[in-house]
Amino acid sequence: DVKVTQSSRYLVKRTGEKVFLECVQDMDHENMFWYRQDPGLGLRLIYFSYDVKMKEKGDIPEGYSVSREKKERFSLILESASTNQTSMYLCASSLGGQAYNEQFFGPGTRLTVL
Amino acid sequence: GQQLNQSPQSMFIQEGEDVSMNCTSSSIFNTWLWYKQDPGEGPVLLIALYKAGELTSNGRLTAQFGITRKDSFLNISASIPSDVGIYFCAGRAGAGAQKLVFGQGTRLTINP
Repeated sequence: DVKVTQSSRYLVKRTGEKVFLECVQDMDHENMFWYRQDPGLGLRLIYFSYDVKMKEKGDIPEGYSVSREKKERFSLILESASTNQTSMYLCASSLGGQAYNEQFFGPGTRLTVL
Repeated sequence: GQQLNQSPQSMFIQEGEDVSMNCTSSSIFNTWLWYKQDPGEGPVLLIALYKAGELTSNGRLTAQFGITRKDSFLNISASIPSDVGIYFCAGRAGAGAQKLVFGQGTRLTINP
């Protein structure tokens, strides 16, 4: 079974702090994604990566950056956390081609910024 | 940008009832997907649809890719307690499209 793990299930940070969210997948997937999930808004794509050291902006990249130094690991960075970044963050991975559509998600990190 | 309108936003039903939900778009998609998110977990793919008019089943779940390519439907028959969760539709504009667009989700609650 594909496993996508995220470093924390719950995180509480203060405004202005630098925040790192880590995601690791164990199935050698090329593609990795970071989404945020907010009630009534569904899942919105922040960034994605289709290869090591490659990254592409999603729909809401402002205030975030990412890093993919190894194929299995994709990090989301909040340079200076703000209260409007309080949300559920979901990481996902997939193979290429038609299998791109089958994105395997981690359990999520619920981030609260005070 | 592209948007998906998913309805209803929430449903409260009795165990054993059938469930219907749908998703519409202002633009054409070449792939429609349905995911389910259990409480405290990430979404899991239920059904993928690749052709207009396609009807696909996965156990008690049936999904259809609308003829216009601007909508999709998911039906659940004879609901059971483990069907509780949030159901998301997602669309992809084409093979070259780099991202999925997700609907807002339908939260399903079942009274035993």
